Amino acid sequence: SQQGEEDPQALSIQEGENATMNCSYKTSINNLQWYRQNSGRGLVHLILIRSNEREKHSGRLRVTLDTSKKSSSLLITASRAADTASYFCATDSTSGTYKYIFGTGTRLKVLA
Amino acid sequence: EPEVTQTPSHQVTQMGQEVILRCVPISNHLYFYWYRQILGQKVEFLVSFYNNEISEKSEIFDDQFSVERPDGSNFTLKIRSTKLEDSAMYFCASSDAGWGASYNEQFFGPGTRLTVL
Repeated sequence: SQQGEEDPQALSIQEGENATMNCSYKTSINNLQWYRQNSGRGLVHLILIRSNEREKHSGRLRVTLDTSKKSSSLLITASRAADTASYFCATDSTSGTYKYIFGTGTRLKVLA
Repeated sequence: EPEVTQTPSHQVTQMGQEVILRCVPISNHLYFYWYRQILGQKVEFLVSFYNNEISEKSEIFDDQFSVERPDGSNFTLKIRSTKLEDSAMYFCASSDAGWGASYNEQFFGPGTRLTVL
């Protein structure tokens, strides 16, 4: 079954450093989304990247997508303590489903 | 910026009781979804809804669950007889495009934390 898996599971960095999180999935997709979740809170939509796109930027966020490897990465540049959160990728499918499948998430901790 | 809203933010109920979780999707969106997240686990899809009917549901979404769009703005999830294992954060989401669309950008609400005692 289709499944997004992020790695690493946890990441701890110093403020100002870059953070890179990776996501792998199993089936063909139309779209991949990245979300942020602060502890016990809601899901904040960060970026959607389509299957025919390779890279997308939004502020300090950079997302890449490699459909041949079925993987995506999220790069947060010049991290801040406020970036501390869990980050999830979510993928849809080309096989006739409306749902997004979420990965297990990367817990990012940015130390001030 | 338009956003999905959910009420209540936290609901505590006794096992066996009925609960209704409420959502107001983004106003021009046509596709609505419920997901849930058990503490410490992945976000899981429950159901999608379009044109006043369920378009897809997961195996979690059994006969105890139902969804409704009672008016032009609200979207509800009802759990008829809650169980301990229904305790979770329930997220509503909406999008303006469904399956196969170039963009199926799903925007999530803040969630309702359901605690079943």
